[in-house]
Amino acid sequence: SAVISQKPSRDICQRGTSLTIQCQVDSQVTMMFWYRQQPGQSLTLIATANQGSEATYESGFVIDKFPISRPNLTFSTLTVSNMSPEDSSIYLCSASSGTVYEQYFGPGTRLTVT
Amino acid sequence: RKEVEQDPGPFNVPEGATVAFNCTYSNSASQSFFWYRQDCRKEPKLLMSVYSSGNEDGRFTAQLNRASQYISLLIRDSKLSDSATYLCVVNGVNTGFQKLVFGTGTRLLVSP
Repeated sequence: SAVISQKPSRDICQRGTSLTIQCQVDSQVTMMFWYRQQPGQSLTLIATANQGSEATYESGFVIDKFPISRPNLTFSTLTVSNMSPEDSSIYLCSASSGTVYEQYFGPGTRLTVT
Repeated sequence: RKEVEQDPGPFNVPEGATVAFNCTYSNSASQSFFWYRQDCRKEPKLLMSVYSSGNEDGRFTAQLNRASQYISLLIRDSKLSDSATYLCVVNGVNTGFQKLVFGTGTRLLVSP
């Protein structure tokens, strides 16, 4: 399984600012994903990060709010833009390879917006 | 109807007990099924994949019933360290097979 790291592990931000979260995988992977997990809830997929092209967003998530980059097969970033307290959540990246659908997760970024 | 449904629990069991969780999924075209474990304030970790023939890994047994569209996880001889939330996960069909849909999780508390 891939080993995934995320930076920062946590942050406290003021409303109206933006935060970029980095996700690094220790090997090349086919697919990378970004999720949000709000307190007491399960994971919600934000988008699929596509290497070399625009991310594919799920319903309710838009590029202007959550721009995503994936410049190569091991790295991706998620930016949470113009933050409000409702964006306070844990943001997780995951990766999968080949034809298997198993995904492995990074440790998450705990974001608090004040 | 939710794509993946689980009893949120909590299931409170003593050490050594056997406990079973069920999960139902709505889309009969789903092909891949998993159980993930999530500890408090940690990321989900893959516990096991669920195969049509059923599979066992030590104290853990997973089974799939396609006709009834449910997945089960059986934990035998529960340990204190089994306390966690268990997430039932199914690959998305309408939104792309490589996307996963997560249930809300079943919380297990194992007590001494």
